[in-house]
Amino acid sequence: DGGITQSPKYLFRKEGQNVTLSCEQNLNHDAMYWYRQDPGQGLRLIYYSQIVNDFQKGDIAEGYSVSREKKESFPLTVTSAQKNPTAFYLCASSIGTGKNTGELFFGEGSRLTVL
Amino acid sequence: AQSVTQLGSHVSVSEGALVLLRCNYSSSVPPYLFWYVQYPNQGLQLLLKYTTGATLVKGINGFEAEFKKSETSFHLTKPSAHMSDAAEYFCAVSDRISNSGYALNFGKGTSLLVTP
Repeated sequence: DGGITQSPKYLFRKEGQNVTLSCEQNLNHDAMYWYRQDPGQGLRLIYYSQIVNDFQKGDIAEGYSVSREKKESFPLTVTSAQKNPTAFYLCASSIGTGKNTGELFFGEGSRLTVL
Repeated sequence: AQSVTQLGSHVSVSEGALVLLRCNYSSSVPPYLFWYVQYPNQGLQLLLKYTTGATLVKGINGFEAEFKKSETSFHLTKPSAHMSDAAEYFCAVSDRISNSGYALNFGKGTSLLVTP
């Protein structure tokens, strides 16, 4: 079945450590996104990529980095510069071209806790 | 930028009662609108969407929403709540970020509680 796979599901990190969250899709979608979810704040866009080897900052990119070396992969690194990294992180994809309406397909999420 | 406002962060209904979750949008162009549902510690699942055409949109699990341009609203309804409907619901609007690309701007969510 086509879909988006995020790993790990749960992750614990000590302060000062970088951590990388994996996101893989087999939907053949061009565009991929990372959102952060905090209780009562909805989803906020961190980074997005519309094509391989290109990505753009979203609304809350500080302290995060991404890469898009392959169409199916869009990993997110939470760096030590992120002041409050404890959150639920959601990866998503969309068609990106053609009859694109912005509809997103989501992974199951990764919950990061900083100890 | 396009935005949405969800009225009520928590809504409680009795099983079998009408579900009404409110969403108002702000958009300078004809919007694409979405409702997603999220169960605890899971990703978001699309309930329904409005792009063009019929303003009453039917989705999964018996939900529907009506696009009302004059009221800039896209409220979500279900005639009879079921215990399994208890979840977090998000309204979203497409925001153009490039010539061919969009991102979704989400509301802050409404948590639906269904009581026996």
